[in-house]
Amino acid sequence: DVKVTQSSRYLVKRTGEKVFLECVQDMDHENMFWYRQDPGLGLRLIYFSYDVKMKEKGDIPEGYSVSREKKERFSLILESASTNQTSMYLCASSFGLAGKRHEQFFGPGTRLTVL
Amino acid sequence: DQQVKQNSPSLSVQEGRISILNCDYTNSMFDYFLWYKKYPAEGPTFLISISSIKDKNEDGRFTVFLNKSAKHLSLHIVPSQPGDSAVYFCAASKLAGSARQLTFGSGTQLTVLP
Repeated sequence: DVKVTQSSRYLVKRTGEKVFLECVQDMDHENMFWYRQDPGLGLRLIYFSYDVKMKEKGDIPEGYSVSREKKERFSLILESASTNQTSMYLCASSFGLAGKRHEQFFGPGTRLTVL
Repeated sequence: DQQVKQNSPSLSVQEGRISILNCDYTNSMFDYFLWYKKYPAEGPTFLISISSIKDKNEDGRFTVFLNKSAKHLSLHIVPSQPGDSAVYFCAASKLAGSARQLTFGSGTQLTVLP
């Protein structure tokens, strides 16, 4: 079974703090993704990575950065948290382009509240 | 600009009856479509998918239909069970840069009444 784990289920931070969200997958997947989920908006892609040290912007990258130093680990960084970044953050992973499977496998999510 | 739309935020059906969830898309570059199921406080889990070269795919109680000319897909659940109560997300896949990306709809909350 594919397992994607996220470092925290719930997190409360203050405005202006630097926030790190960590994600680890155990299936040797090439691709990793960060989404945020908000009511009525579905899942929106923030950033993704297709290889170690490689990253690409998603649909809503502003206010976020990412880091992928090892294949199994993908970090989302909020440089200076703001209240409009209060959301559910979901990490996912998937096979690379050579694989035939298209689905992404998701972690349980981190509910971040910025006060 | 929402490229994947689920116009029904919620749906209630009686146990044993059919549930039909709908999804529309606008981008012709999407070539693969997926349905995910999400329970509260959990990540989405993959349910079923369909390639754009097919018009139907079945897996047990779940069937996905694709109408490419209408840019419409639907998920049928027969028979519906109370454990199916969850939020269902439609997603469309396309090649973008160096990876396949998914674009999600806003979700439909399905409630199956016992």
